[in-house]
Amino acid sequence: DGGITQSPKYLFRKEGQNVTLSCEQNLNHDAMYWYRQDPGQGLRLIYYSQIVNDFQKGDIAEGYSVSREKKESFPLTVTSAQKNPTAFYLCASSPTGTSNQPQHFGDGTRLSIL
Amino acid sequence: QKEVEQNSGPLSVPEGAIASLNCTYSDRGSQSFFWYRQYSGKSPELIMFIYSNGDKEDGRFTAQLNKASQYVSLLIRDSQPSDSATYLCAVNMKNYGQNFVFGPGTRLSVLP
Repeated sequence: DGGITQSPKYLFRKEGQNVTLSCEQNLNHDAMYWYRQDPGQGLRLIYYSQIVNDFQKGDIAEGYSVSREKKESFPLTVTSAQKNPTAFYLCASSPTGTSNQPQHFGDGTRLSIL
Repeated sequence: QKEVEQNSGPLSVPEGAIASLNCTYSDRGSQSFFWYRQYSGKSPELIMFIYSNGDKEDGRFTAQLNKASQYVSLLIRDSQPSDSATYLCAVNMKNYGQNFVFGPGTRLSVLP
C-alpha cells in the first residue's frame, strides 16, 4: 500500500541527546514536510523540501535539522539545542510543492523528555 | 502577517443535525483551502479541498468559500458520533512561500 511511514511511534530523549525521527514515503511525491503539534494547537512548520538535496526552514527550525538525500526519505533530527522538544511530530508529503496540492500525513511520532 | 483563525470550540451538536465549522484567513492572495479531520491522538486526514468561490459537496460534507470575505466553512450534514473530532483548516499563504498555515482547529462533539 502507498503511504507515509513514520517511526518510531514513541520516542524518549535524554537531556543533551540528539534523536532522529524517520519519515519514508512510497507515493513518489516530490515535496515533504515536517510539522510540530503541541496540545490544543495547530500544526507549525519546521522544515520542508520540494526536491531532493534541497530543503528550507519553516517557522520553528531552530534546534532541528533535516536531510533529503533520497526522494523517499526526509529524516528529522531533534538536537540538544531544542530545549522544549516534547510534542507530536508529523511528516507530510504532496505530489509537488505547489499550493493546490493537498498534503497527506504519516501517523506521527510522539517525543517526550526523560 | 499569516493567520488562520478558527473557533476552538467545543462545538456540540445533536446526532443528525448540521455542524457548521468556520475559518477566516488573513492573506487575501490565498488560493487553496483544505479541511482536515484529526481524531484524538491521531494524525490529520484530508476531508476536502476547495479552490473556487462557492460550494463544493462530497457526501455529507460541503465546503463553502468566500474569498471576498476571506472565509471558508465546512458543513457536516446528518452528523454522527463518529464525526466527533478536531477539524483543522489549512490555507496556502502566498506570502508564506505558498506553504500551508493551519488554524488551531475546532473540536466538534456530536451527541447521541
